[in-house]
Amino acid sequence: DGGITQSPKYLFRKEGQNVTLSCEQNLNHDAMYWYRQDPGQGLRLIYYSQIVNDFQKGDIAEGYSVSREKKESFPLTVTSAQKNPTAFYLCASKPTSGDTGELFFGEGSRLTVL
Amino acid sequence: DAKTTQPPSMDCAEGRAANLPCNHSTISGNEYVYWYRQIHSQGPQYIIHGLKNNETNEMASLIITEDRKSSTLILPHATLRDTAVYYCIVRVAHGGGTSYGKLTFGQGTILTVHP
Repeated sequence: DGGITQSPKYLFRKEGQNVTLSCEQNLNHDAMYWYRQDPGQGLRLIYYSQIVNDFQKGDIAEGYSVSREKKESFPLTVTSAQKNPTAFYLCASKPTSGDTGELFFGEGSRLTVL
Repeated sequence: DAKTTQPPSMDCAEGRAANLPCNHSTISGNEYVYWYRQIHSQGPQYIIHGLKNNETNEMASLIITEDRKSSTLILPHATLRDTAVYYCIVRVAHGGGTSYGKLTFGQGTILTVHP
């Protein structure tokens, strides 16, 4: 079945370590997004990419990095520069042709810094 | 993208209609209204969207006022499984520019459906 797969679902990290969250989609979507969600809060946009080899900063990009080497993949690296990385991270995608604006979300990755 | 205002929480009895309001008084003419919901610790799920006409699908109905400054999501027969956070978002559906693709979620409305 087509969809978006995020891994790992749960991740623990020690302070000072970088960690990379995986996001893969087989929907043939051009655009992909990373959001961060804190308890009781809405979603905040970290980075987004509308096409391979191109990406844009969202509202809270500091301390994060991304790459878009393949259409199917948009990994997010949480660096040691991110002051408060413990959060729920959501990846999403949507097509650009035939676009209704609907975003398709993965099931999320929960990162805890020990 | 236009800012939206939603009540932080609402309750609904099982089997009754749930009416979730959203204010978007600064909406632009080319911005659509989208509704998503998020069940605890899962990714948000698309429900419905519209521009100015009322819309209905198998999940819900969307009523947009004539001046487009507010809308209401209606779940006609709420079930316990409809308990979730409901997000109302307004944004341009198509187009280019650096803001294309940004979708801003607020804090949403926590809908609790009780027996």
